[in-house]
Amino acid sequence: GENVEQHPSTLSVQEGDSAVIKCTYSDSASNYFPWYKQELGKRPQLIIDIRSNVGEKKDQRIAVTLNKTAKHFSLHITETQPEDSAVYFCAASIEGPGGGYQKVTFGIGTKLQVIP
Amino acid sequence: NAGVTQTPKFQVLKTGQSMTLQCAQDMNHEYMSWYRQDPGMGLRLIHYSVGAGITDQGEVPNGYNVSRSTTEDFPLRLLSAAPSQTSVYFCASSYSGPSGVDTQYFGPGTRLTVL
Repeated sequence: GENVEQHPSTLSVQEGDSAVIKCTYSDSASNYFPWYKQELGKRPQLIIDIRSNVGEKKDQRIAVTLNKTAKHFSLHITETQPEDSAVYFCAASIEGPGGGYQKVTFGIGTKLQVIP
Repeated sequence: NAGVTQTPKFQVLKTGQSMTLQCAQDMNHEYMSWYRQDPGMGLRLIHYSVGAGITDQGEVPNGYNVSRSTTEDFPLRLLSAAPSQTSVYFCASSYSGPSGVDTQYFGPGTRLTVL
């Protein structure tokens, strides 16, 4: 099955600096890569996603890049703010036969701390 | 819309007891999943369903049963609780759009402790 590795497990940055979280996946058939943010005691919530036909996607201060050849994708957060502090999960999924259900495999998460 | 709801929010069981975690969604999503979240291990798929009457195993299915009699509901049953099942359980739902399966929406979670 799919295996997703995520680095680093913890990350501390000064407010205003950039944060980068990297993930690699094992199955070249994976075609959908979402990123989730989970605040303490809350549910995971999607912050950005990318499909395999796109190399980069941006949404305000966050961006995701995908390198299909190397099988890795990254989350970039610029101008970090204290409210960005949370655990971030990457995930990879493979579309089922006929475009059906995708079994999603998650990375272990990165705890981001933004220091004011 | 209430989105994805889960009950209870917290539960303490003794080893060997059984219980059902409830999950419901009002978005008419085809796909529903159960995950468990343990420190340092991310979210791991327990069981999933691609529609009413259809379920399948995920990565860590042992000790859990599911059924899907309606589109809205997807309960998770612990048959004989063990301390290793102490975890936070999340239910999620999603649907298949024009670009493929869309994002998963998670419920608020159930924190389960087995003594």
